[in-house]
Amino acid sequence: EPEVTQTPSHQVTQMGQEVILRCVPISNHLYFYWYRQILGQKVEFLVSFYNNEISEKSEIFDDQFSVERPDGSNFTLKIRSTKLEDSAMYFCASSALSGIVQETQYFGPGTRLLVL
Amino acid sequence: DAKTTQPPSMDCAEGRAANLPCNHSTISGNEYVYWYRQIHSQGPQYIIHGLKNNETNEMASLIITEDRKSSTLILPHATLRDTAVYYCIVRVVGRNNNDMRFGAGTRLTVKP
Repeated sequence: EPEVTQTPSHQVTQMGQEVILRCVPISNHLYFYWYRQILGQKVEFLVSFYNNEISEKSEIFDDQFSVERPDGSNFTLKIRSTKLEDSAMYFCASSALSGIVQETQYFGPGTRLLVL
Repeated sequence: DAKTTQPPSMDCAEGRAANLPCNHSTISGNEYVYWYRQIHSQGPQYIIHGLKNNETNEMASLIITEDRKSSTLILPHATLRDTAVYYCIVRVVGRNNNDMRFGAGTRLTVKP
């Protein structure tokens, strides 16, 4: 069964450093998403991406964040200058183009980011 | 998207059916009910979704009341591996850039 994959599984970085989290969505999917979950809190939407541009973003997704689809398979989330409060699990998700079943979002296993 | 209300926690005996309720009294006609679960800190796992008819797949059954104001997710024979947080989410289908709004969910503990 196709699945979303994410790398790395864990990332430790110093405050102020840039990090790039990588995701490989399901191959025939065209919509991509990033979510985050701070320890003990809810899963929160960050951004959605379609046709090489951001479709929707939340208040969390400020200028420190950016997303990119650098090639035909990867989808990345960049945090330019990490802060302590960016420590969280980051989940990538993808969904297909249209129709009810195809709009279901499938999530990856996550990247645990720890900012020191 | 309509808000949902779920009990914070539930227990279930292994091998028995787990019935997880969800209230969504403000649901509108074009909103679907989705269920996901999250085991430990893994990524949310899709379980099932429906509009107004009851649905069943290999994982679970979804029972939606006739007025659509509440639903129940049924795990017919719960196992220890079903211990997880279960999220009921109501969302409009047809706007594919719509985010999933996760609440606090129900923490289901399956006990031996």
